[in-house]
Amino acid sequence: QSALTQPASVSGSPGQSITISCTGTSSDVGGYNYVSWYQQHPGKAPKLMIYDVSNRPLGVSDRFSGSKSGYTASLTISGLQAEDEADYYCSSYTNTFTGVFGTGTKVTVL
Amino acid sequence: QVQLVESGGGVVQPGRSLRLSCGASGFTFSDYGMHWVRQAPGKGLEWVAVIWFDGTNENYADSVKGRFTISRDNVKDTLYLQMSSLRAEDTAVYYCARDGGYSRYYFDYWGQGTLVAVSS
Repeated sequence: QSALTQPASVSGSPGQSITISCTGTSSDVGGYNYVSWYQQHPGKAPKLMIYDVSNRPLGVSDRFSGSKSGYTASLTISGLQAEDEADYYCSSYTNTFTGVFGTGTKVTVL
Repeated sequence: QVQLVESGGGVVQPGRSLRLSCGASGFTFSDYGMHWVRQAPGKGLEWVAVIWFDGTNENYADSVKGRFTISRDNVKDTLYLQMSSLRAEDTAVYYCARDGGYSRYYFDYWGQGTLVAVSS
């Protein structure tokens, strides 16, 4: 149950697009389309942004999109806004019927 | 609206036990799998355990297997986490979260979290 690998930090200017990667193995990300993404502001509970690789829950901005290729999933934030500054985590179902989170990425809006 | 409210956290000595509760409202609790997720101070999220909607199956992270037990009461709409043989590394904010997708392990609603501090 090793954590999925994410970059520690990603930054961008307002209006730009950024992409956060999430790399796993055939036992998790590569084996199932059950990757989800969460946004967490300091002191707050995480918020679901993407589920099942690329689906957005009701109420989540369409500036957030997800994809997957092989063992790597990605979250793209387009039209970056100040309110997007937060920590982001990916998560996946695994072949041992457990869950696993990514190491987390701090997004900074310059 | 969906609400999850954790309780039971606090300071506990190493080796002791503690039980967390998570009260659910605003949805049919017995229709959903439920998870516990924790976050150590300044660290990332760690998945802890899951229990199926009907309580017939459960799974645990290796880090807590054999020490923690997840359970639920579908009459009281409450999720539990019984923690025993606690260690310093169990210190974290513990969140309960609803499985939004029939055990597809995505978490669509979260509680506010309850802090467990293991210290002598």
